[in-house]
Amino acid sequence: GAGVSQSPRYKVTKRGQDVALRCDPISGHVSLYWYRQALGQGPEFLTYFNYEAQQDKSGLPNDRFSAERPEGSISTLTIQRTEQRDSAMYRCASSRVTGRRDYNEQFFGPGTRLTVL
Amino acid sequence: GDSVTQMEGPVTLSEEAFLTINCTYTATGYPSLFWYVQYPGEGLQLLLKATKADDKGSNKGFEATYRKETTSFHLEKGSVQVSDSAVYFCALTKNAGGTSYGKLTFGQGTILTVHP
Repeated sequence: GAGVSQSPRYKVTKRGQDVALRCDPISGHVSLYWYRQALGQGPEFLTYFNYEAQQDKSGLPNDRFSAERPEGSISTLTIQRTEQRDSAMYRCASSRVTGRRDYNEQFFGPGTRLTVL
Repeated sequence: GDSVTQMEGPVTLSEEAFLTINCTYTATGYPSLFWYVQYPGEGLQLLLKATKADDKGSNKGFEATYRKETTSFHLEKGSVQVSDSAVYFCALTKNAGGTSYGKLTFGQGTILTVHP
């Protein structure tokens, strides 16, 4: 079946512009995560959803970053007034469910490479 | 807060050599531990996991043992192949009250290059 997809794969924008990054999780997956990965580093948690509810947004670096998942499927991560320090790979992952005794594997998408000039 | 530390890289080996990539963690409670792999041009994939102390995760010839006394989860493979060339990430997630909270905390990654 189809895996997690993200679009666009590459985004180049000018400082001060808003960008919207899209994630389409595996069909039926309840949980959806956003991570940010700087070059040469591991992914860092940003936020996650169960269905349409945002359960934890503690990793969002500031109020320019927001995420939504209005129908419990596709999610959008929005960065307003982009800055050069926002340049990174943004990764999305989904899993069947979170909050149960057994860890449910997170399946990662290919990522969106954001470059802010 | 929770953290994961991986050995400094990159690691370069000849085919059929023995591989060890060190990983240590700092976390309260009882984390579950993972190794993820990223092949060139692809997304992150789960390689193996261990959910409690002394568990051994294994997959594709790779192994790692959850050592609570040393807070370690070192990745090993007895004989690497060129196709194992990738970036390897150690990660943890917290268990709280018997349930698993899915937020992953990653190490910085180790680049492995295997030459024929």
